Amino acid sequence: NAGVMQNPRHLVRRRGQEARLRCSPMKGHSHVYWYRQLPEEGLKFMVYLQKENIIDESGMPKERFSAEFPKEGPSILRIQQVVRGDSAAYFCASSPTPEGNTQYFGPGTRLTVL
Amino acid sequence: KNQVEQSPQSLIILEGKNCTLQCNYTVSPFSNLRWYKQDTGRGPVSLTIMTFSENTKSNGRYTATLDADTKQSSLHITASQLSDSASYICVVSPGGKLIFGQGTELSVKP
Repeated sequence: NAGVMQNPRHLVRRRGQEARLRCSPMKGHSHVYWYRQLPEEGLKFMVYLQKENIIDESGMPKERFSAEFPKEGPSILRIQQVVRGDSAAYFCASSPTPEGNTQYFGPGTRLTVL
Repeated sequence: KNQVEQSPQSLIILEGKNCTLQCNYTVSPFSNLRWYKQDTGRGPVSLTIMTFSENTKSNGRYTATLDADTKQSSLHITASQLSDSASYICVVSPGGKLIFGQGTELSVKP
């Protein structure tokens, strides 16, 4: 049973470009969480999704950031018109239950904005 | 405001020694408290999870304690190994969403 998969592991973008981060949850998990870890800071919750639904996006910046978890395929975190401050590690976690008591984390995507 | 504070920020110990990491939280409501280990460049891996009614939980050489009255938790590592070098993160959940501490960076030296 493969764990949570994230790709790419490293992503370099220039200011103004778009970044797409992918997360494939563990088999049988329909709950996905995205977290951001800025340099020298702890992880911060961004968004919680179930299949085809955004349940809680209270941690998402109001502009340029969006997330989806389609019926088929991975969850996508999309950042439009990236800025240097978006440079961070983005982690995805999946859970088999909506309570999220057991969240398994992926290896993360490290985004660097030049 | 929901917050999780950890101390110390960083810690250096010799291989074979024990150490204790601290966590204070002001999260409400409280559902559970977890300790994660995060190796450099990797995602966090769960070590222990405790609910309100549990005051201690062990996982091998890791023992976590919880005092829900004082809202404090500790993670005790016995007989440390070089592979224990990592960031240890205290995470409190009010239900669903996780609130992370900044972590304690542990370095085990030979």
